Amino acid sequence: QKEVEQDPGPLSVPEGAIVSLNCTYSNSAFQYFMWYRQYSRKGPELLMYTYSSGNKEDGRFTAQVDKSSKYISLFIRDSQPSDSATYLCAMSAGDSSYKLIFGSGTRLLVRP
Amino acid sequence: GAGVSQTPSNKVTEKGKYVELRCDPISGHTALYWYRQSLGQGPEFLIYFQGTGAADDSGLPNDRFFAVRPEGSVSTLKIQRTERGDSAVYLCASSRGQGNGELFFGEGSRLTVL
Repeated sequence: QKEVEQDPGPLSVPEGAIVSLNCTYSNSAFQYFMWYRQYSRKGPELLMYTYSSGNKEDGRFTAQVDKSSKYISLFIRDSQPSDSATYLCAMSAGDSSYKLIFGSGTRLLVRP
Repeated sequence: GAGVSQTPSNKVTEKGKYVELRCDPISGHTALYWYRQSLGQGPEFLIYFQGTGAADDSGLPNDRFFAVRPEGSVSTLKIQRTERGDSAVYLCASSRGQGNGELFFGEGSRLTVL
């Protein structure tokens, strides 16, 4: 079993929909939680960063971390075709915070 | 520079050959990382540099892989005796300090071993 599990999708939604992306993990030492967006043939781009539990909002994006359930989520409001990409969750432990453990990514398609 | 720069963007080589992949990090970033991404998977950690030294090379798969960062800026990932299983996208990232996950990635070097 992988340390970080993520549904690969693809997830197809109409423009304007609310998108929910999720990851589960097994390592209780994880303290830093990130969401990266990756367009085809590009490098990952950091979208959201959260330390420990709680919510964080940035524009149309909201990240949630529930450490008690070992579950993290990314919500995208008013989704746009330009949001079509692969979304990677990533996390790391406090003693090796540079060593990110990534999920396999969820491919999102927002239809015009 | 404005972002992390990686060269070459694509490299096709034959099994058994030697390959070098170069990374030029964001100016002022002291930390540099190499990750490897296989098709349909998330990136996997290879090595982390803080300045000139490799602070953690535990992700390098075997002794055919080696990386250097002699002046604390540009880094080179070296792969000897390439195998077909080495085919992947090699991603370089940099950050201020240790980064704590706030990494800035380059576009990657796509390596194909025939």
